[in-house]
Amino acid sequence: GAGVSQSPSNKVTEKGKDVELRCDPISGHTALYWYRQSLGQGLEFLIYFQGNSAPDKSGLPSDRFSAERTGGSVSTLTIQRTQQEDSAVYLCASSPFYGGQGADTQYFGPGTRLTVL
Amino acid sequence: AQKITQTQPGMFVQEKEAVTLDCTYDTSDPSYGLFWYKQPSSGEMIFLIYQGSYDQQNATEGRYSLNFQKARKSANLVISASQLGDSAMYFCAMREILSGGSYIPTFGRGTSLIVHP
Repeated sequence: GAGVSQSPSNKVTEKGKDVELRCDPISGHTALYWYRQSLGQGLEFLIYFQGNSAPDKSGLPSDRFSAERTGGSVSTLTIQRTQQEDSAVYLCASSPFYGGQGADTQYFGPGTRLTVL
Repeated sequence: AQKITQTQPGMFVQEKEAVTLDCTYDTSDPSYGLFWYKQPSSGEMIFLIYQGSYDQQNATEGRYSLNFQKARKSANLVISASQLGDSAMYFCAMREILSGGSYIPTFGRGTSLIVHP
């Protein structure tokens, strides 16, 4: 079946502009995760959704970052007034969450490479 | 304190030999999951193997096996018969259930593996 998809694959924007990044999880996956990966670095957890609700938003780096998920499916990560330090690859992952052992294995999308000039 | 520690920033191995990538973790959650992911230069995160904290046997998936030593809080990845295509970044990750019931996944900084012909 189809995997996790993300759009756009690349986004170049000017400092101060708002951007929206989209994630389409694997159908039926209850949990959805957003991460940020700067060049040569590990993954920085941003937020996760269980259904449409986000139990923990503590990973969001500032109030310029927000995310929502609708219909238990598509999620949008919005960055307002982008800064150069926001430049990174933003990865989305989904997992079944329920279903026993290993059900929280995360399957990743290809990522969105964001460049803020 | 880091929850996931990968002490080897880079590893080299000869093709067809086995290699062990180290991972230690820190948690007080009795129920947790450990994961390994591979990230080739293309950037996609590929799930390799999962180990649950209650699993009695070490997980295996083809050429990948997880050397799980619970008392030492260690979850090393063993790749047997290395192939050139195994050259990539490898991330160890852990899932815990935090107070309040939220799942926050934690990733290590990664180990870069280079397989020589």
